[in-house]
Amino acid sequence: QVQLQESGPGLVRPSETLSLTCSVSGGSINRYYWGWVRQPPGKGLEWIGYVFYSGSTNYNPSLKSRVTISIDTSRNQFSLRLNSVTAADTAIYYCTRRSSCTDIWGQGTMVTVSS
Amino acid sequence: QPVLTQSSSASASLGSSVRLTCTLSSGHNGYMIAWHQQQPGKAPRFLMRLEVSGNYNKGSGVPDRFSGSSFGADRYLTISNLQSEDEADYYCETWDTNTQIFGGGTTLTVV
Repeated sequence: QVQLQESGPGLVRPSETLSLTCSVSGGSINRYYWGWVRQPPGKGLEWIGYVFYSGSTNYNPSLKSRVTISIDTSRNQFSLRLNSVTAADTAIYYCTRRSSCTDIWGQGTMVTVSS
Repeated sequence: QPVLTQSSSASASLGSSVRLTCTLSSGHNGYMIAWHQQQPGKAPRFLMRLEVSGNYNKGSGVPDRFSGSSFGADRYLTISNLQSEDEADYYCETWDTNTQIFGGGTTLTVV
């Protein structure tokens, strides 16, 4: 059974870069789309973007200028980088697998943007 | 791209049934969706993929009490024999060529 686990700093300073990694276990990353979704405290889900196993990407237009998602098939991992963060980027960040729809979620990691 | 509309809240009694609705925006009746459940303090969980025809494919371990159906632009999630653990937020999701969209979510209270 495929499982996803996010890792990365829980606190990021304003204007700096948020970096998270998602480790895939129980299956190969060499299929499907692998993505990120975030949820600000008390709010709904927001799609950030995804990467295909081949390396092609698609991003939420509202975040596109600040986001990079990459994949490392040799390590069965994919990563998120979000530049120039502000307090509005404070959220729980989930990594996901998408086949025909999102069908696997990581447990999520809380990231706070604060000085 | 499509927009998904959900009621912000719903309530139903323990042991009863409830039907939650996700409505696709005009011109997007042909889209399939997915339903996800988020219990308090937990990550979302995939419940099912729901096609235009009303056919659905559930995730691993999703109880038989959960079912889906479709009519026009509306996509439904029906929960029968409500249990206390069904109290959660429910989100619908759809996707276009290069994007992924979530509805605003429905908070279900079991009374």
